[in-house]
Amino acid sequence: DTAVSQTPKYLVTQMGNDKSIKCEQNLGHDTMYWYKQDSKKFLKIMFSYNNKELIINETVPNRFSPKSPDKAHLNLHINSLELGDSAVYFCASSQEVGSSYEQYFGPGTRLTVT
Amino acid sequence: GDSVTQMEGPVTLSEEAFLTINCTYTATGYPSLFWYVQYPGEGLQLLLKATKADDKGSNKGFEATYRKETTSFHLEKGSVQVSDSAVYFCALSDHPGGTSYGKLTFGQGTILTVHP
Repeated sequence: DTAVSQTPKYLVTQMGNDKSIKCEQNLGHDTMYWYKQDSKKFLKIMFSYNNKELIINETVPNRFSPKSPDKAHLNLHINSLELGDSAVYFCASSQEVGSSYEQYFGPGTRLTVT
Repeated sequence: GDSVTQMEGPVTLSEEAFLTINCTYTATGYPSLFWYVQYPGEGLQLLLKATKADDKGSNKGFEATYRKETTSFHLEKGSVQVSDSAVYFCALSDHPGGTSYGKLTFGQGTILTVHP
């Protein structure tokens, strides 16, 4: 069974469109995250939710809006897509917030904006 | 703010060679340190971690020791295999009160290629 799953795996879209990426974890974890990996492989946190509550919101354009309908899901909606949004987006989860807890990553969603 | 610096890649080795990937960090708090590995086309997997000074994390023949005095967490393996070819990320996460509490702050990643 896949622990952290994301859909879709690949997403190709045009500038100005609105798109969503879905994430689900079946580990029973309380905390979920979105990370962005750019073309140089650099990874940076975007958002973190704990028990459906937003706890980390890094400097991300407000075109990006995370939504957590329940503890097992954290979706990422992106409005008015721009070329610079092209990246691989990783969802992750951990049992709790804190450095002692391992983060489990999904396989990633490669977003290409044309 | 917190930061992690890894040695520049890519690193290319022959099978059975010794591997070192350097990692140093700056942190406001007293962080836990991690090495994650990303195989081609996959997400990240935790390779090893250390939560306090002088701890040694180890897994699959890889080792790293938390050195507070040099703020380092270098990754080593005595004999690499072709299957170790991947991107390796050093990362930190703070304890409560630190800048990186509740998240991972990553280094830039080091691409490792091992040839037969």
